[in-house]
Amino acid sequence: KAGVTQTPRYLIKTRGQQVTLSCSPISGHRSVSWYQQTPGQGLQFLFEYFSETQRNKGNFPGRFSGRQFSNSRSEMNVSTLELGDSALYLCASSLDTGVGSPLHFGNGTRLTVT
Amino acid sequence: SQQGEEDPQALSIQEGENATMNCSYKTSINNLQWYRQNSGRGLVHLILIRSNEREKHSGRLRVTLDTSKKSSSLLITASRAADTASYFCATATWGGGATNKLIFGTGTLLAVQP
Repeated sequence: KAGVTQTPRYLIKTRGQQVTLSCSPISGHRSVSWYQQTPGQGLQFLFEYFSETQRNKGNFPGRFSGRQFSNSRSEMNVSTLELGDSALYLCASSLDTGVGSPLHFGNGTRLTVT
Repeated sequence: SQQGEEDPQALSIQEGENATMNCSYKTSINNLQWYRQNSGRGLVHLILIRSNEREKHSGRLRVTLDTSKKSSSLLITASRAADTASYFCATATWGGGATNKLIFGTGTLLAVQP
C-alpha cells in the first residue's frame, strides 16, 4: 500500500500570499488530520476531516482552512501568509475518526514565508 | 498547547546501550501513543497503549503506562545508530465528537553513537 503523500515537498512564499497544500491518504483511510510543526511550538493540531466533514479543529486563526474530497484527499489553505507560518506541515491519515487508531504521517510540506 | 512533557529533552548513548525516555501528562487519557521522527520527515507510529494496559512490547521497544502518576516510559533495548531520531509521546483523549484530540509532547532527541 502506498503511504501518505504530501505535495509539494517544499514551498517558498512571500508574506501576504496564500498557499494550498495537498495530502493523499492511505487507500481506505477516511480520516485526515493536519499538524503544524515548528521548533518553538512543537507539533500543533490544526484540524481533522472525516468523510468530507471537519470533525475537530485546533486553536489556529481563520486564515487556516481545509477541506476533504469524496476520495478522502485533503487540502489545507493558508491565506495572508505571515512570517510565523513558516513550518513543516504534516498530514496524517487513519482508518477511523477520533484518536483510537494510530496516525500514518506523510513526509510533510516545508513552507518558508519570506 | 502541549499535554505531554518528555524527559530528557536530549539523550546521547553508545550503540548497544538501552535508551529510556519518559513522558508525563496532565489530564486523563484514553490511550497514549509513541512516535518516531527522523530529521525533517514525517512521524512513524511505534506503539499504542490503552489506559487499562500497564505494559506493551514491540520488538526492541517496551512501553509502560502508569495512569496514577500520569506518566509513560519508552525503553529501546540494544540501540542501533539507525534509532537516532526524535521520539514523541501523544496522548489521546475523547469525550465524543469534536473533543477528540491527540496531543503531542515536546519530544526527546535521541542520538546513538556508533
